[in-house]
Amino acid sequence: AQSVTQLGSHVSVSEGALVLLRCNYSSSVPPYLFWYVQYPNQGLQLLLKYTTGATLVKGINGFEAEFKKSETSFHLTKPSAHMSDAAEYFCAVSTYNNNDMRFGAGTRLTVKP
Amino acid sequence: EPEVTQTPSHQVTQMGQEVILRCVPISNHLYFYWYRQILGQKVEFLVSFYNNEISEKSEIFDDQFSVERPDGSNFTLKIRSTKLEDSAMYFCASSDLAGGGYGYTFGSGTRLTVV
Repeated sequence: AQSVTQLGSHVSVSEGALVLLRCNYSSSVPPYLFWYVQYPNQGLQLLLKYTTGATLVKGINGFEAEFKKSETSFHLTKPSAHMSDAAEYFCAVSTYNNNDMRFGAGTRLTVKP
Repeated sequence: EPEVTQTPSHQVTQMGQEVILRCVPISNHLYFYWYRQILGQKVEFLVSFYNNEISEKSEIFDDQFSVERPDGSNFTLKIRSTKLEDSAMYFCASSDLAGGGYGYTFGSGTRLTVV
């Protein structure tokens, strides 16, 4: 089955600094890749997704991610962090031929003033 | 924007009791899912459901769990005899494509506390 690994359970950045959250995947067939955000006591909100086509995908709130097949990575970036970005971020993977999307362990992003 | 609705938002139950968690998926979606998140831990896949039957399930989804779509609208998760370790946030999700090609839409979750 497919899986994802998120490097770094906690990431802390200053407001205005670059955000980089790392995700590596494992899949025997071409993956569908997702980033979700979870604010405290809330559900999971889709930030962006990659299925096919352009490898650089843009999502909501200024986030983007690049699918790199050679590195089996799908890292999430944002050029300038905002206080409101503080949340838990989950990378997830599924494939066209199954219905069990798998999540990484999550990365808690803290943004310092 | 269409939403997945889950009820109740919080449920407290005694160990050994049966609980039913309810979800109303987005109306034109065909694939339905349950996930759970134990406090502070990762989001874990439980089960997926399509065409009135389970399509995938994880090792967590043992005989004490069952799912049902009783009326074409609701999608329920039943835990037959709850254990303390079933305490978690349970999320329902739905999608309109196999593999979730457009992503899954998640509900806000039901926090289950087993005492």
